[in-house]
Amino acid sequence: DTGVSQNPRHKITKRGQNVTFRCDPISEHNRLYWYRQTLGQGPEFLTYFQNEAQLEKSRLLSDRFSAERPKGSFSTLEIQRTEQGDSAMYLCASRRDYGYTFGSGTRLTVV
Amino acid sequence: DQQVKQNSPSLSVQEGRISILNCDYTNSMFDYFLWYKKYPAEGPTFLISISSIKDKNEDGRFTVFLNKSAKHLSLHIVPSQPGDSAVYFCAASAYRGSTLGRLYFGRGTQLTVWP
Repeated sequence: DTGVSQNPRHKITKRGQNVTFRCDPISEHNRLYWYRQTLGQGPEFLTYFQNEAQLEKSRLLSDRFSAERPKGSFSTLEIQRTEQGDSAMYLCASRRDYGYTFGSGTRLTVV
Repeated sequence: DQQVKQNSPSLSVQEGRISILNCDYTNSMFDYFLWYKKYPAEGPTFLISISSIKDKNEDGRFTVFLNKSAKHLSLHIVPSQPGDSAVYFCAASAYRGSTLGRLYFGRGTQLTVWP
């Protein structure tokens, strides 16, 4: 079990730039989730994939955000035209049956 | 609207004593509950879960109690150890058919266990 891997661990970007994060789930897990955590809050759901199909999106996922999971393996989360309010920890989780396993997250700072 | 609430942002307990972390929820559709532990700069780590058909689940030093009528659950850690110091998140989910849906998290409780 190699766990859920997220890259990069940290990203600092200037406001208005685009950023992309990658998540590699546990290989036999067919469900993949993206969450966002801001200071003092619990993780908040962004979107969910079952295999390559994106089945649910939160209203938090504005049109500047896009997520993909080609071939049902790794997933990418892209944020276009970043804003300071996008600064947060972006967490990826994968699941097969009942257990959600989280990655270590990508810390985004928009300056 | 916060559907899962952890009203105590922090808890301080002496080593060897019991830690009790509380969680309330508002959505009666929730039927599966989980506790996660999080260290700084790491993702949440699963601790223990409970289905709504049970009122108690134990795993070593950790016990979760569920009171469905009060929409309340609690995590007991006995005995508490300094390594337990972390942020603890309560999370809830609802089954959609046979599939467990997304997680709704509380804001977390910072547990500090002092020697």
